[in-house]
Amino acid sequence: DVKVTQSSRYLVKRTGEKVFLECVQDMDHENMFWYRQDPGLGLRLIYFSYDVKMKEKGDIPEGYSVSREKKERFSLILESASTSQTSMYLCASSFPSWGETQYFGPGTRLLVL
Amino acid sequence: DAKTTQPPSMDCAEGRAANLPCNHSTISGNEYVYWYRQIHSQGPQYIIHGLKNNETNEMASLIITEDRKSSTLILPHATLRDTAVYYCIVRAGNNAGNMLTFGGGTRLMVKP
Repeated sequence: DVKVTQSSRYLVKRTGEKVFLECVQDMDHENMFWYRQDPGLGLRLIYFSYDVKMKEKGDIPEGYSVSREKKERFSLILESASTSQTSMYLCASSFPSWGETQYFGPGTRLLVL
Repeated sequence: DAKTTQPPSMDCAEGRAANLPCNHSTISGNEYVYWYRQIHSQGPQYIIHGLKNNETNEMASLIITEDRKSSTLILPHATLRDTAVYYCIVRAGNNAGNMLTFGGGTRLMVKP
């Protein structure tokens, strides 16, 4: 079974703090993604990576950065957390193929006070 | 990616088959039909996908009409744990590495 794990299920941070969200997958997938999910807005892509040290901006990269030093690990960094970044953060991974399937982690619910 | 239309909610009795419809009348030849579900406060879970043939796995069956303009996800014996929002997504087969777009989905309530 594909396993995507995220470092925390729930996180509470203060405005201005630097926040690290970690994602690890055990299927040797090349592609990894960070999304956020908000009521009424659906899933929005923040960043994705198709290889180690490679990254591409998604639809809403502002206020975020990412790091992929190892194939299995993709980190999302909130440089200076703001209340607008309160959200559910979802990591996903996939193997690049025709009819590619993305597998998601359990999500991290972040509250920024 | 083609747009999909799903009913906003459905009920199903526990132990019975749940049949979730999806319309995708603008689907093009290289687009797959994917189904995911999301149980409250959890990450989306992949269920099944197909191109034109019917597909079955340990979780569900996917029936795609011959013209590919609609499909049905079948959970053969629904349990209370199948209560979730089910998303039908149409996506190009060569769209690897790009984002998934979830629409409103169908909120399935399985009742005892």
